[in-house]
Amino acid sequence: QKEVEQDPGPLSVPEGAIVSLNCTYSNSAFQYFMWYRQYSRKGPELLMYTYSSGNKEDGRFTAQVDKSSKYISLFIRDSQPSDSATYLCAMSESGSQGNLIFGKGTKLSVKP
Amino acid sequence: GAVVSQHPSWVICKSGTSVKIECRSLDFQATTMFWYRQFPKQSLMLMATSNEGSKATYEQGVEKDKFLINHASLTLSTLTVTSAHPEDSSFYICSARPGGPGNIQYFGAGTRLSVL
Repeated sequence: QKEVEQDPGPLSVPEGAIVSLNCTYSNSAFQYFMWYRQYSRKGPELLMYTYSSGNKEDGRFTAQVDKSSKYISLFIRDSQPSDSATYLCAMSESGSQGNLIFGKGTKLSVKP
Repeated sequence: GAVVSQHPSWVICKSGTSVKIECRSLDFQATTMFWYRQFPKQSLMLMATSNEGSKATYEQGVEKDKFLINHASLTLSTLTVTSAHPEDSSFYICSARPGGPGNIQYFGAGTRLSVL
């Protein structure tokens, strides 16, 4: 079983839809959870950063972490064509030496 | 804040030549920098971890003599692809970690390498 599982999609939604992106993981030591957005032929851009369980909201984006289920989600409200990108989840253990473990990424397309 | 500059964004070279890619953290000091490779429609593949002032740690299967990494300062790391071959053509991305909890990495824009 891979440490981090993420459905690669592709996921296609109409403009204005609510998008739900998810990752599951197996390592219970993960404490820090991130979502990155990557446009085609660009480097990943940090979208959301969450520590431990709970929700975090930033504009149209909401990140949720459920450590008991080892499941994290990113919700995008009122999706826009400019949200079309690949979304990568990433997570790490505590401590300064841990590397980020990435999901494979979900490709999202928002149709106008 | 947290800007990572990667240069060049695109390079074309002849087979057998060497190519250097630079990665700079512009507004923070990066104790650790990372180099990734990404094939089309695939996720990031970590190549090596670079700590300032010490030798890079390479992932299994990555040739350290082919992919030379230098992390000479807290804001600069370079990746040199030596004696490049067409199979080295790929998208190379660096990231920098400023330290602190969470191990957040900030990424450069990537370098597209095409070896003819």
